[in-house]
Amino acid sequence: GQSLEQPSEVTAVEGAIVQINCTYQTSGFYGLSWYQQHDGGAPTFLSYNGLDGLEETGRFSSFLSRSDSYGYLLLQELQMKDSASYFCAVPRGGKLIFGQGTELSVKP
Amino acid sequence: DTAVSQTPKYLVTQMGNDKSIKCEQNLGHDTMYWYKQDSKKFLKIMFSYNNKELIINETVPNRFSPKSPDKAHLNLHINSLELGDSAVYFCASSEAGTSVNEQFFGPGTRLTVL
Repeated sequence: GQSLEQPSEVTAVEGAIVQINCTYQTSGFYGLSWYQQHDGGAPTFLSYNGLDGLEETGRFSSFLSRSDSYGYLLLQELQMKDSASYFCAVPRGGKLIFGQGTELSVKP
Repeated sequence: DTAVSQTPKYLVTQMGNDKSIKCEQNLGHDTMYWYKQDSKKFLKIMFSYNNKELIINETVPNRFSPKSPDKAHLNLHINSLELGDSAVYFCASSEAGTSVNEQFFGPGTRLTVL
């Protein structure tokens, strides 16, 4: 089966750095994806880690440790527009299994 | 140009009615999906089609019937709507095979059943 755990809420201030963790229990692991969803909007793809290590895309980075069944999304230089829900997801049998999402609130 | 579009954006209807949601993608992708997102934002796969063929059906009640007339379109018809069907329904697409990780979502259809 598949199980992904994320914190339900995280709060941070503008300009700060925040890390959103995701631990997973899944058979046949094939990588970890991250999606962002603003209120009332659609999920949008942020990043994918197929191998261990850090992937950087601008202010956002994503990390994976397969031996620890753990990954995280790192958001730097937080902006108000980063307030959104963030979902980790794993592929399984031609589909994505999503975590419950982490609601990030960025305060001034 | 919109990559994945859905209509309608909002749908309010009475219990027992039948309704349809349409989805189109202009990305040239082979695979399309329907997801249901509940009030707690849990995003769950319902169906997946690859080049017009159903490949995933996630124990969805048979009141839900997807149809893919061609690989750019995936529609969802719901019969005998129930209160519990109220949710946001997202269509998505991806390139075939291993590109399941990067999916492109439509804007969603917020369905409210009264």
